[in-house]
Amino acid sequence: DAGVTQSPTHLIKTRGQQVTLRCSPKSGHDTVSWYQQALGQGPQFIFQYYEEEERQRGNFPDRFSGHQFPNYSSELNVNALLLGDSALYLCASSWGRGEAQHFGDGTRLSIL
Amino acid sequence: GESVGLHLPTLSVQEGDNSIINCAYSNSASDYFIWYKQESGKGPQFIIDIRSNMDKRQGQRVTVLLNKTVKHLSLQIAATQPGDSAVYFCAENMSYGGSQGNLIFGKGTKLSVKP
Repeated sequence: DAGVTQSPTHLIKTRGQQVTLRCSPKSGHDTVSWYQQALGQGPQFIFQYYEEEERQRGNFPDRFSGHQFPNYSSELNVNALLLGDSALYLCASSWGRGEAQHFGDGTRLSIL
Repeated sequence: GESVGLHLPTLSVQEGDNSIINCAYSNSASDYFIWYKQESGKGPQFIIDIRSNMDKRQGQRVTVLLNKTVKHLSLQIAATQPGDSAVYFCAENMSYGGSQGNLIFGKGTKLSVKP
């Protein structure tokens, strides 16, 4: 039973570019959440998708957008990249209501 | 804004001893709490959770205690092993429309186990 998978594992971009990160949820999960984790910090919630709609959003600018597909997989898009966007981006999936979120190993994004 | 914090940023224990990692939360509306373990280069791994209608929950070698009066959460690890070395995060959650919303994480406690 595959867990949450994310791609790519590492990515290097320059300021102003755009990036797309991908996530496949754990089998049987229908809800996907995205988090940003800066070095030495706890993850910060970006947004959550359920039934292909953004259900909740954290305190992140509109440069951060997402999408969920009918097979429950998800993408995180970041436009006009800033140096401060360098972080580990984590995807977490869960099923239904009130179930624990399970995380992938993340995508390490470096902005030069 | 509301946040979850930890009392100790680092904890060093001897192999075989019991470990206790503490966490304070500030949002009295939070009703669901999770402990995660994060090893270097990996994502957070679910350890154990507890809902606000409980004050104690046990798993394999781990116990979570919740004290709502003082808004305190703790993770107890019995017979700590070198493989338990990692950063531990507590996270709180407020149900949103009956379903789990976003998790609010603290900064984490680094547990080092000495052989």
